[in-house]
Amino acid sequence: DAGVTQSPTHLIKTRGQQVTLRCSPKSGHDTVSWYQQALGQGPQFIFQYYEEEERQRGNFPDRFSGHQFPNYSSELNVNALLLGDSALYLCASSLRGQGAAGYTFGSGTRLTVV
Amino acid sequence: AQSVTQPDIHITVSEGASLELRCNYSYGATPYLFWYVQSPGQGLQLLLKYFSGDTLVQGIKGFEAEFKRSQSSFNLRKPSVHWSDAAEYFCAVGTNTGFQKLVFGTGTRLLVSP
Repeated sequence: DAGVTQSPTHLIKTRGQQVTLRCSPKSGHDTVSWYQQALGQGPQFIFQYYEEEERQRGNFPDRFSGHQFPNYSSELNVNALLLGDSALYLCASSLRGQGAAGYTFGSGTRLTVV
Repeated sequence: AQSVTQPDIHITVSEGASLELRCNYSYGATPYLFWYVQSPGQGLQLLLKYFSGDTLVQGIKGFEAEFKRSQSSFNLRKPSVHWSDAAEYFCAVGTNTGFQKLVFGTGTRLLVSP
């Protein structure tokens, strides 16, 4: 039973560029949440997708957007990258009814903005 | 708003010694509390969680945590630390907005000395 898969594992981008990160949820899960973990910090909630719609959003600018596909996989897009966007981006999948209690985290995508 | 404080940034413990990691939370209602562990370059693994009932919660890898409402604390303990326990530990509180997201502390890095 595959867990949460994130791709790519690492990437380097230049300021001002755009980036897309991908997440495949654990089999049976229908909800995907994205978190940003800056160096030396705890993860911070970006947003959550369920039934292909953004359901909740944290305190992140509109440069951060996402999408969920019919197969429940999800993408996180960040436009106009800033140096401060450098972080580990974590995807967590869950079953809607379990909420955060049912989270399974992926290993993350390490984004470096230069 | 919910918040979590982990007052210790780093802790060093000798192998075989006992461990206690501190966590204090701020939340108006009965909290849903979690402890996660993160090894370098990895995602988050759930150690244990508290929703209600017995205030002493047992988790994986020999960890336990005690919920103390009067002190707004949820400290993580282990009676005998192994070198493989060296990692970053995060305390988190679940929100009541459909209980779909977590608010994390800044983490405590555990170092284990021989």
